[in-house]
Amino acid sequence: AQSVTQPDIHITVSEGASLELRCNYSYGATPYLFWYVQSPGQGLQLLLKYFSGDTLVQGIKGFEAEFKRSQSSFNLRKPSVHWSDAAEYFCAVRPNSYDKVIFGPGTSLSVIP
Amino acid sequence: ETGVTQSPTHLIKTRGQQVTLRCSSQSGHNTVSWYQQALGQGPQFIFQYYREEENGRGNFPPRFSGLQFPNYSSELNVNALELDDSALYLCASSLGLAGVGRPTDTQYFGPGTRLTVL
Repeated sequence: AQSVTQPDIHITVSEGASLELRCNYSYGATPYLFWYVQSPGQGLQLLLKYFSGDTLVQGIKGFEAEFKRSQSSFNLRKPSVHWSDAAEYFCAVRPNSYDKVIFGPGTSLSVIP
Repeated sequence: ETGVTQSPTHLIKTRGQQVTLRCSSQSGHNTVSWYQQALGQGPQFIFQYYREEENGRGNFPPRFSGLQFPNYSSELNVNALELDDSALYLCASSLGLAGVGRPTDTQYFGPGTRLTVL
């Protein structure tokens, strides 16, 4: 079955430390890939997306993600986390251009001052 | 340019009742998608409307229905509410082509409506 997994339910990092959030998907071909962030009481904000080309994608707020076809992964990274990055992060995939977006279960990020 | 807005913010209903949630799309967007986000889970796709017609549906029963109006605003209706319908309902708008969303379309999400069914 098609699925998106985010192995880490909750991650805590210190402010200024680096961050990596994991995302794996199971689809036959390369899907369209997204990372969204959701702060409490807010809707989802798109951080970055990958459709084709360079496998390292730059997004907003200093985030980047790397697509690895061999590992079916699309991990999100940030070199130095800020307290304002504390939020819920969702990886999402769109299997093809004519399909719905499927979200992972999310990873909750806490930042220690 | 106004963003996606949703109303009401919060809603409490009892089992068996009906509810209508509303969404105003971002200016210029002709496609609206609705998602259900249960507590602690990722959003689940309910359906999508393009130019007033449903053009995609997730694994939700027929008691979940929708409408899109000529100004591209949208409603989500849920009949015969069940306890498991308690969730955050998110609306997202985008600019689509010919009945489907282009892969490069970015979906802009509203803040959601929190529905509690007692």
